[in-house]
Amino acid sequence: EAQVTQNPRYLITVTGKKLTVTCSQNMNHEYMSWYRQDPGLGLRQIYYSMNVEVTDKGDVPEGYKVSRKEKRNFPLILESPSPNQTSLYFCASGRRSYNEQFFGPGTRLTVL
Amino acid sequence: ELKVEQNPLFLSMQEGKNYTIYCNYSTTSDRLYWYRQDPGKSLESLFVLLSNGAVKQEGRLMASLDTKARLSTLHITAAVHDLSATYFCAGDSQGGSEKLVFGKGTKLTVNP
Repeated sequence: EAQVTQNPRYLITVTGKKLTVTCSQNMNHEYMSWYRQDPGLGLRQIYYSMNVEVTDKGDVPEGYKVSRKEKRNFPLILESPSPNQTSLYFCASGRRSYNEQFFGPGTRLTVL
Repeated sequence: ELKVEQNPLFLSMQEGKNYTIYCNYSTTSDRLYWYRQDPGKSLESLFVLLSNGAVKQEGRLMASLDTKARLSTLHITAAVHDLSATYFCAGDSQGGSEKLVFGKGTKLTVNP
């Protein structure tokens, strides 16, 4: 089944404790992206990657890191999480030539 | 910088009625996308509109794109309760880039 998977789905952590949210897709998509969704603010792009080893900042990259060492994986790293990073995070992937993006199930992160 | 505005942000309608959600965008956008999000769920792609005058229909939903007016519409015909969800439109930023900019979403509630 074609899908984008994220882990964990739910995470409660404390300020400053490094964490990684994994994202994997099995559709051989070149493009992958991370978004955060907050009430009243809609979806905002954090980082995106147009192919292996190619990443770029989205609209709200501060406090986040990403890497794209393999085509299928695009982990999101929070080196020192803060409460303002409490949010619902979505990973998405798509083909470059036809940018319909497929979204993962979401990761609900709470930083205390 | 591309900005995408949807209206209305909230829409309550009765079953059987018709209504239209509007999506305006500020600069040239190659393509326009519509997504649906059910409460607590991920985003599901509904339509990809690739060119001026494009019209796509799926069941009771019909989307259209007018690039000259920088306007896309999502028309709901004879609404049913199952259509209750939040609908997002998104545009491509910087023509040809895979960066998507989302509107804030329209929360649709269909009442019996």
